Amino acid sequence: DGGITQSPKYLFRKEGQNVTLSCEQNLNHDAMYWYRQDPGQGLRLIYYSQIVNDFQKGDIAEGYSVSREKKESFPLTVTSAQKNPTAFYLCASSRGTENTEAFFGQGTRLTVV
Amino acid sequence: RKEVEQDPGPFNVPEGATVAFNCTYSNSASQSFFWYRQDCRKEPKLLMSVYSSGNEDGRFTAQLNRASQYISLLIRDSKLSDSATYLCVVKSGNTGKLIFGQGTTLQVKP
Repeated sequence: DGGITQSPKYLFRKEGQNVTLSCEQNLNHDAMYWYRQDPGQGLRLIYYSQIVNDFQKGDIAEGYSVSREKKESFPLTVTSAQKNPTAFYLCASSRGTENTEAFFGQGTRLTVV
Repeated sequence: RKEVEQDPGPFNVPEGATVAFNCTYSNSASQSFFWYRQDCRKEPKLLMSVYSSGNEDGRFTAQLNRASQYISLLIRDSKLSDSATYLCVVKSGNTGKLIFGQGTTLQVKP
């Protein structure tokens, strides 16, 4: 099946630890995105990548890092510098051209304990 | 000012009602527009793209007004299953950024 896969679905982390969230797609999409959603809020853009080996900061990049070494993969690392990391993290991909929609993974719920 | 703004609601309507949501965007270089639906604790899913000429999909109609920089979604004959959060999404033509509004919550009651 073609799609976008995020893992794990639930993640618990101790304060002060870095953690990496996985995002893989087999849709042959060029563009990939990471969003954060807090309860009752909309999606806020963390990082996005239009092409392999290139990515840009979104609106809330501080405390996060990404890499795009392969077209299929766009992992997000939540570092210890992120002051309030507990949230729902969503990864998306799209063909990247005009009028093409984005498809989402099922998300990862990160809780800092 | 946020790049994409929506009235968060909630909109509480009876079954069968017609309800309209508006969304405004600030970047005139915005290129593509979409409405997504998000159910509680789930990922967003595409409801419909929004084209300059307006488009309709069953009970749903989307309109784009580039001059005034707003997008609308009209839902006719509301069903209980329409209860969800509706997200306005704008893609920048310059940067490729995909920006979401904060969402509008709709609750359809029997």
